Amino acid sequence: GAVVSQHPSRVICKSGTSVKIECRSLDFQATTMFWYRQFPKKSLMLMATSNEGSKATYEQGVEKDKFLINHASLTLSTLTVTSAHPEDSSFYICSARDHRGPRPETQYFGPGTRLLVL
Amino acid sequence: SQQGEEDPQALSIQEGENATMNCSYKTSINNLQWYRQNSGRGLVHLILIRSNEREKHSGRLRVTLDTSKKSSSLLITASRAADTASYFCATDASGNQFYFGTGTSLTVIP
Repeated sequence: GAVVSQHPSRVICKSGTSVKIECRSLDFQATTMFWYRQFPKKSLMLMATSNEGSKATYEQGVEKDKFLINHASLTLSTLTVTSAHPEDSSFYICSARDHRGPRPETQYFGPGTRLLVL
Repeated sequence: SQQGEEDPQALSIQEGENATMNCSYKTSINNLQWYRQNSGRGLVHLILIRSNEREKHSGRLRVTLDTSKKSSSLLITASRAADTASYFCATDASGNQFYFGTGTSLTVIP
């Protein structure tokens, strides 16, 4: 089955630093990737949608200069949390879908990255 | 917010009983999907039901969809302790947007 990986799985950083999270589709081409954040015991909140080679579409209330998304290839998207602060601590999950594949409606989720900003 | 609502927020049942959770959403959709998440882990896709379908089965799972009421339900029959997890519905609307419901935390007591 389709596999999506995320790296790192866990990161601790100091306030003010930037953190990059990678999301890779391992055995399929991701025409679209999605980034979510999840607070403890809460649901997933869609942050942005990115299509390969174009700018990401951010959800209302999500700062595009704070959360930089790059989807440079069909297998890789990155989320950079710039000048991270403790309130950015969260569980970040990516997902990917292949509109041209056999199951274009299905999203495949990565295992998530837990970010802790001190 | 486009986020859907799920109820109940938490459900605790005995092993062997059935568990039903409901999802309501706000906009027209192409399909609705159910996921489970074990604590602190990623999501596992359970089942997808398209907007022109009313009911779908997969093993011990039964999903219904009522587009006129903008609601869906997930039934897990003969529950097991291993079914303990959080369950989320997610709607796939036109425009390539995918929104999750608030989730139901299911506890199955052995």
